[in-house]
Amino acid sequence: DIQLTQSPSFLSASVGDRVTITCRASQGISDFLAWYQEKPGKAPKLLIYAASTLQSGVPSRFSGSGSGTEFTLTISSLQPEDFATYYCQQLNSYPLAFGGGTKVEIK
Amino acid sequence: EVQLVESGGGLVQPGGSLRLSCAASGFSFSDHHMDWVRQAPGKGLEWVGRSRNKANSFSPEYAASVKGRFTISRDDSNNSLYLQMSSLRTEDTAVYYCTRAFYNSGWNSDFWGQGALVTVSS
Repeated sequence: DIQLTQSPSFLSASVGDRVTITCRASQGISDFLAWYQEKPGKAPKLLIYAASTLQSGVPSRFSGSGSGTEFTLTISSLQPEDFATYYCQQLNSYPLAFGGGTKVEIK
Repeated sequence: EVQLVESGGGLVQPGGSLRLSCAASGFSFSDHHMDWVRQAPGKGLEWVGRSRNKANSFSPEYAASVKGRFTISRDDSNNSLYLQMSSLRTEDTAVYYCTRAFYNSGWNSDFWGQGALVTVSS
């Protein structure tokens, strides 16, 4: 089974900061990776698919990169509405798996 | 407009059974894989399982944690997805989400329901 390790698990940042979250896969998954944003009491929202493709309607300050085993989600300038928990998910093979999550909080 | 509405959640005793339903609308249901994803209180997301689309004979896949206890099925004539849960454990307590998946470098969950809370407790 493929495991995903996200880092950091928690980060504190200010509005306007550039934020980078890393997701490492235990084996190569090409670009079969998605990123989701979750806010309390709401369903998760797809941000990025195919490792780097922005989902329709997602602000361009979000970007994804990587291939193989190492991936990153970057928020170029953190906005108040971006304080949330972010998850990566591998879609390469079953069982599908999510990373442990990265909670982004206000500094 | 794509809509996914889960129902059937509630309180059940350990060892009991429960069936969740997901009513889908606004898209061609039979063309899409459909997933169940859960989130235990204070925990992260956990993929539960998948029903493949009609082109892939609706065949299911399951996470190891639920295999043999949970069964995913679908009724494309009624645009509905189901999760039959049996031999429930306290660790199955979670909000269960139904998701629609589209294909681009894997089947990605682009629409999610609002979730159904399942509480397993005596």
